[in-house]
Amino acid sequence: KAGVTQTPRYLIKTRGQQVTLSCSPISGHRSVSWYQQTPGQGLQFLFEYFSETQRNKGNFPGRFSGRQFSNSRSEMNVSTLELGDSALYLCASSYGTTLTDTQYFGPGTRLTVL
Amino acid sequence: AQTVTQSQPEMSVQEAETVTLSCTYDTSENNYYLFWYKQPPSRQMILVIRQEAYKQQNATENRFSVNFQKAAKSFSLKISDSQLGDTAMYFCAFMALSGTYKYIFGTGTRLKVLA
Repeated sequence: KAGVTQTPRYLIKTRGQQVTLSCSPISGHRSVSWYQQTPGQGLQFLFEYFSETQRNKGNFPGRFSGRQFSNSRSEMNVSTLELGDSALYLCASSYGTTLTDTQYFGPGTRLTVL
Repeated sequence: AQTVTQSQPEMSVQEAETVTLSCTYDTSENNYYLFWYKQPPSRQMILVIRQEAYKQQNATENRFSVNFQKAAKSFSLKISDSQLGDTAMYFCAFMALSGTYKYIFGTGTRLKVLA
């Protein structure tokens, strides 16, 4: 089985722009979760989608949004980028039947905001 | 508010020896899970082991085991017979399932296994 894939792997944007990141889960997985990893704040949970619905949400401002498509692929959008949004964004997929199902992580998208 | 603390930013261990990574957490929840994740250099993060709070028996996965002390809110990871491939960043995580969903990670411990 192919693993979780994330595109693009690297991205450079400037302040004020918006960005969309994509995550393709493992075949058969219906849950996709997103995380932000920074040296200062560590690893933080952004949100989780299951069957096209946002099921859980972390403590991030509304500039961070996401969606999930019928094929379980997910996108994350960050609007009005700030310097502090520079981070490694990880997505993880799971079967999602329970919240504690094993999550499989992608390689991440490294976003740099200039 | 829930917090997860990993007090050892960096550790090293000789190959074939045993090392213990510490994790403490603070919560008033009763229904929760605890996890250890491993993030090797430039590679994907993977789940190492999980523990359900209502289970008293410590979880074990091959060379990895935990010491779960619920009253002390402690959840340490023991790696036996350390291998070079164990070199990685290790994150402890807490997931609360009652009430508002919460999923919180510690700051990580960087483990280096020495040949």
